[in-house]
Amino acid sequence: DVKVTQSSRYLVKRTGEKVFLECVQDMDHENMFWYRQDPGLGLRLIYFSYDVKMKEKGDIPEGYSVSREKKERFSLILESASTNQTSMYLCASSSWTGGYQETQYFGPGTRLLVL
Amino acid sequence: QKEVEQNSGPLSVPEGAIASLNCTYSDRVSQSFFWYRQYSGKSPELIMSIYSNGDKEDGRFTAQLNKASQYVSLLIRDSQPSDSATYLCAVNRHTGGGNKLTFGTGTQLKVEL
Repeated sequence: DVKVTQSSRYLVKRTGEKVFLECVQDMDHENMFWYRQDPGLGLRLIYFSYDVKMKEKGDIPEGYSVSREKKERFSLILESASTNQTSMYLCASSSWTGGYQETQYFGPGTRLLVL
Repeated sequence: QKEVEQNSGPLSVPEGAIASLNCTYSDRVSQSFFWYRQYSGKSPELIMSIYSNGDKEDGRFTAQLNKASQYVSLLIRDSQPSDSATYLCAVNRHTGGGNKLTFGTGTQLKVEL
């Protein structure tokens, strides 16, 4: 079974803090993704990575950065947390076979509260 | 127009009935379609994927795809209370390095005893 783990299930931070969310997958997947999920807005893609040290912006990258130094690990960084970044953060990974039949598997999520 | 649209619900069905969940999408070049189930407070888990027009069955679940109408649906037969969850429709967007998914906002399903 694919296993995607996230470093924390719940996190409380203060405005202005630097926040690190970690994601690890054990299936040697090339692709990793960070989403946030908010009521009424669904899942929105923040950043994704197709290879080590490679990153691309998703639909809502503002206020976030990412790091992928190893294939199995993808980190999301909030440089200066703000209250509007309070959300559920979901990491996902997938293996690209060269076509379009690519399934994303999700981690358990991190619920972040910024005070 | 949203890229992926779903009725937010809640959709209420009695136990044992067929639940029908619908999704429309705007990008005609999309080729992969996914249904995820998400229980409250949990992360999405994949139920079905479908890539070709027609029906695809897996146990009590049937996914239906009509690319001409840009429509994908999920049927759940013999609905059980454990099926009560939010169902997310996702559609791929192919980029140079792989595929990204666009998600609908989900349909909440309630299966009543």
